Amino acid sequence: DSGVTQTPKHLITATGQRVTLRCSPRSGDLSVYWYQQSLDQGLQFLIQYYNGEERAKGNILERFSAQQFPDLHSELNLSSLELGDSALYFCASSAPGGGLYNEQFFGPGTRLTVL
Amino acid sequence: AQTVTQSQPEMSVQEAETVTLSCTYDTSENNYYLFWYKQPPSRQMILVIRQEAYKQQNATENRFSVNFQKAAKSFSLKISDSQLGDTAMYFCAFPLSNSGYALNFGKGTSLLVTP
Repeated sequence: DSGVTQTPKHLITATGQRVTLRCSPRSGDLSVYWYQQSLDQGLQFLIQYYNGEERAKGNILERFSAQQFPDLHSELNLSSLELGDSALYFCASSAPGGGLYNEQFFGPGTRLTVL
Repeated sequence: AQTVTQSQPEMSVQEAETVTLSCTYDTSENNYYLFWYKQPPSRQMILVIRQEAYKQQNATENRFSVNFQKAAKSFSLKISDSQLGDTAMYFCAFPLSNSGYALNFGKGTSLLVTP
């Protein structure tokens, strides 16, 4: 158990819909990263938050957004869903000041299926 | 560009044998860390081993060791005495200093350990 929790575990929805994925980092971790794992794109970094503020963006679509709340949990919002958004979405957290050392602890993931 | 290449999509090894998974990368950073993550059928991402680029000594964690060649930008993972529980996807990764130290993953190598 990494200490990172994600809900829900599975999500099935239809094209055009909007969903919210939730992540709670390990106790004491300030950074939250979101990754998307799909068959064709592999594991891709989407976005990072640090202590409530957006820190870095990766290959995140404009239809996707995220935020980190004062209690440090984070939510990833996916809207106008398309079939190609079906993937496993991971959240990871890391301790403050890790820098390049940056061991990241991954949650169990949310499996999103868009029908 | 900072890239990670895993050239072996699939590998197979018999129980108790040794197997080596390859990874090459490209970065302009001088100091950095490299990681191998394991993703078993449960889909959980688990850190296997890490190597700091400044350290000449190869990292070892029980049956897992790396062969790190900085000049060649090569970072291979050796698994000794392979066990059935080692069956998993293995990802090579390093943090992107220009993206909040988000991990840049290779495409992965699917390892099957057979009895």
